[in-house]
Amino acid sequence: AQSVTQPDIHITVSEGASLELRCNYSYGATPYLFWYVQSPGQGLQLLLKYFSGDTLVQGIKGFEAEFKRSQSSFNLRKPSVHWSDAAEYFCAVDTGRRALTFGSGTRLQVQP
Amino acid sequence: NAGVTQTPKFQVLKTGQSMTLQCAQDMNHNSMYWYRQDPGMGLRLIYYSASEGTTDKGEVPNGYNVSRLNKREFSLRLESAAPSQTSVYFCASGTGSSYEQYFGPGTRLTVT
Repeated sequence: AQSVTQPDIHITVSEGASLELRCNYSYGATPYLFWYVQSPGQGLQLLLKYFSGDTLVQGIKGFEAEFKRSQSSFNLRKPSVHWSDAAEYFCAVDTGRRALTFGSGTRLQVQP
Repeated sequence: NAGVTQTPKFQVLKTGQSMTLQCAQDMNHNSMYWYRQDPGMGLRLIYYSASEGTTDKGEVPNGYNVSRLNKREFSLRLESAAPSQTSVYFCASGTGSSYEQYFGPGTRLTVT
């Protein structure tokens, strides 16, 4: 069965510092991959997605992610974090039924 | 466009009571989904509907029923609520073809 692992439950970075959130997946074929962000008390918003082609994908709010097939990873990055980026981030994989399997999430805290 | 709307936002039930969570989308999407979110577990799929008139079980369907009333509306029913169903419930919709999903703001349900 497919699965998604986000090994970091909680990350704290300073404002202006770079950020990398890790995501690993287990799936038999090349998956469709997504990153979502959830602000406190809100629903989920799509940051970016990878279907095929260029392995470096750009998203909203200055985020990017790189698909590495050899490592089964899809890590999310941002060069300079803003205080408004504090939220919970979820990596997700399409299961082929057009339904998503989510990781357990990484909560990002931003220090001033 | 309201996107995906959910009612109610909050609900407290006693064990054994029943209730229906309502979801509607105005984006003309074919697919709709119900997820539950529990701390440390990400989102888990309860049921989904690939098109009007069809529904399928997801990862955690026990204790729930769904109705795809029309293309816009997809409801989730708890026939006999249990404390294990205390969670935040999210409805989502998607075109299916792009595999993107758009989420509602969630319903926070507590079962005592």
